[in-house]
Amino acid sequence: QVQLQESGPGLVKPSEALSLTCSVSGGSISSYFWSWIRQPPGEGLEWIGYIYYSGSTNYNPSLKSRVTISVDTSKNQFFLKLSSVTAADTAVYYCARWYASGSSPSRHFDYWGPGTLVAVSS
Amino acid sequence: DIQMTQSPSSLSASVGDRVTITCRASQSISNYLNWYQQIPGKAPKILMYAASSLQSGVPSRFRGSGSGTDFTLTISSLQPEDSATYYCQQSYDTPWTFGQGTKVEIK
Repeated sequence: QVQLQESGPGLVKPSEALSLTCSVSGGSISSYFWSWIRQPPGEGLEWIGYIYYSGSTNYNPSLKSRVTISVDTSKNQFFLKLSSVTAADTAVYYCARWYASGSSPSRHFDYWGPGTLVAVSS
Repeated sequence: DIQMTQSPSSLSASVGDRVTITCRASQSISNYLNWYQQIPGKAPKILMYAASSLQSGVPSRFRGSGSGTDFTLTISSLQPEDSATYYCQQSYDTPWTFGQGTKVEIK
């Protein structure tokens, strides 16, 4: 059973960078896409971006200028860095696996971490 | 970006009721539509993918339908454990986008 676990600081100061790690266990990080998704308190879900195990990335244009997602296949981990944060970046951050089979419509987030709340405050 | 609009935003129904949630895409997405269930304090869980394919382990009372721009999630007989917020999500094109959610409460 694949399991994901987010880790990182729960409090970040405005204008600083938010950095999170997602550790994958129970399966290899290879051959899949891995995403970060966030949810502000009481609000809906926003996809931040994904990384393929090979290192190729795709980011949400709304955050693209501030986001970097990277991967370390040797540690079965991938990472999120969000720069110049403001209070609007306060959210629960989830990491998730994207299941995709070629161009089939059967593609979706099939495994999620429990989420980690990151608050932006001085 | 493809906008996803769900209705209603919330509903209250009794155990055993049939419940229907709709999701509309701002452009045609064929059947590239997923449904997730989120219980408060938990991560979302995949219920349905490709509009009408039931994820393994999900009860058969959940049914998805639709294609193009209009989609429906139906719970045939509402159970207490179905109290949650439900989100649709398009997988047609990035940025992948979600509906705003429909909160289902048990009367």
